[in-house]
Amino acid sequence: AQSVAQPEDQVNVAEGNPLTVKCTYSVSGNPYLFWYVQYPNRGLQFLLKYITGDNLVKGSYGFEAEFNKSQTSFHLKKPSALVSDSALYFCAVLTGTASKLTFGTGTRLQVTL
Amino acid sequence: EAQVTQNPRYLITVTGKKLTVTCSQNMNHEYMSWYRQDPGLGLRQIYYSMNVEVTDKGDVPEGYKVSRKEKRNFPLILESPSPNQTSLYFCASRTQGVEQYFGPGTRLTVT
Repeated sequence: AQSVAQPEDQVNVAEGNPLTVKCTYSVSGNPYLFWYVQYPNRGLQFLLKYITGDNLVKGSYGFEAEFNKSQTSFHLKKPSALVSDSALYFCAVLTGTASKLTFGTGTRLQVTL
Repeated sequence: EAQVTQNPRYLITVTGKKLTVTCSQNMNHEYMSWYRQDPGLGLRQIYYSMNVEVTDKGDVPEGYKVSRKEKRNFPLILESPSPNQTSLYFCASRTQGVEQYFGPGTRLTVT
């Protein structure tokens, strides 16, 4: 069975500092990995995905994520956080043969001035 | 514009009164899913569909029904809602291996 872990319920960062939101996964087979963001009272928006190829994936709003197969991780990063990045972030995993996208429990990112 | 629509966006109902939340997508996606979002539990899949007339249970299917008679529509049915089904519900669609598109959500309260 596939699973995703987001070990931090909340991450606090000062504006201008780099941020990292952690995600680890467990699948059998090659994973498809995704990050989604949810702003207050909104649905989920796609940020970026890893399917194959370069381990560093760039996405929307200046976010990027690094796929690390040996550590089964897919951490979300941004070099310089903005207050407007404050939201709930979800990591998700899908294997090529699976019909089901499995989500982590979410990490709340709080960026302060 | 590519989108997933859900209706209603907000619903307050009473225990036992049957309700349907509609979901429609205009992207010709094969896969559609329903999720519920609860604080501290993230998104949990209720049901999913791989194509017309093909549906399967997700992680928390008890108390819910779905149907997929047309490719674009995937309604969620609560035959006899109970207070523990009070939640935020999302419909989503995707095609194989591609990112999932989410609807705006339906906030359901069962009293």
